[in-house]
Amino acid sequence: QGQLVESGGGVVRPGKSLRLSCVASGINISSNGMHWVRQAPGKGLEWVAVILYDGSKQYYAESVKGRFTISRDNSNNTVYLQMNSLRADDTAVYYCATPPDVSDHWGQGTLVTVSS
Amino acid sequence: DIVMTQSPDSLPVSLGERATIRCKSSQSVLYTSNGNNYLAWYQQKSGQPPKLLIYWASTRESGVPDRFSGSGSGTDFSLTISNLQAEDVAVYYCHQYYKTPFTFGQGTKLEIK
Repeated sequence: QGQLVESGGGVVRPGKSLRLSCVASGINISSNGMHWVRQAPGKGLEWVAVILYDGSKQYYAESVKGRFTISRDNSNNTVYLQMNSLRADDTAVYYCATPPDVSDHWGQGTLVTVSS
Repeated sequence: DIVMTQSPDSLPVSLGERATIRCKSSQSVLYTSNGNNYLAWYQQKSGQPPKLLIYWASTRESGVPDRFSGSGSGTDFSLTISNLQAEDVAVYYCHQYYKTPFTFGQGTKLEIK
């Protein structure tokens, strides 16, 4: 059945950094693109970033471009999201997910709170 | 960016009735080379991550009840839930994965009338 597990969230001050991890178990993500999606409290879903299966290309939402970096380590079935220069409007639950045309795997999410 | 606009924002429906949610994209998400519409529908229940219902606009994900169906092409799509059950109460999102930045609709809250 496979699952994704995110970690690394927490409370951080504006301008600081945080790195999120997403570990896949029971599913081999090395042949798939992987996404990060976030959801601010009480709000809808916002797509954040995607990385191709081999890590060769990454794409970002305009709201995070230049501040966030998605990467992956296929040998450890893990995807990362490095978040720099964090702002209050980055406060959200961050989910990693497989693409919809591949499978339906989402983690439970990790909460990032940016507050002074 | 491709803007996804759902209607309505909120939809009260009686148990056993049909619910239809619409999603309009600001540009076509049909890839003519393969005939696929890069459009998915997700269901999100309170406190849970989203669950994939439909991909390629009309292909039901494994395990999803056949009460859920998707249709449409190009820029206009719909999700229909027949014979509404109490467990269908959720927020539903359309999502285009045709072109980055990928985008979601604002969500439609389905509730029991």
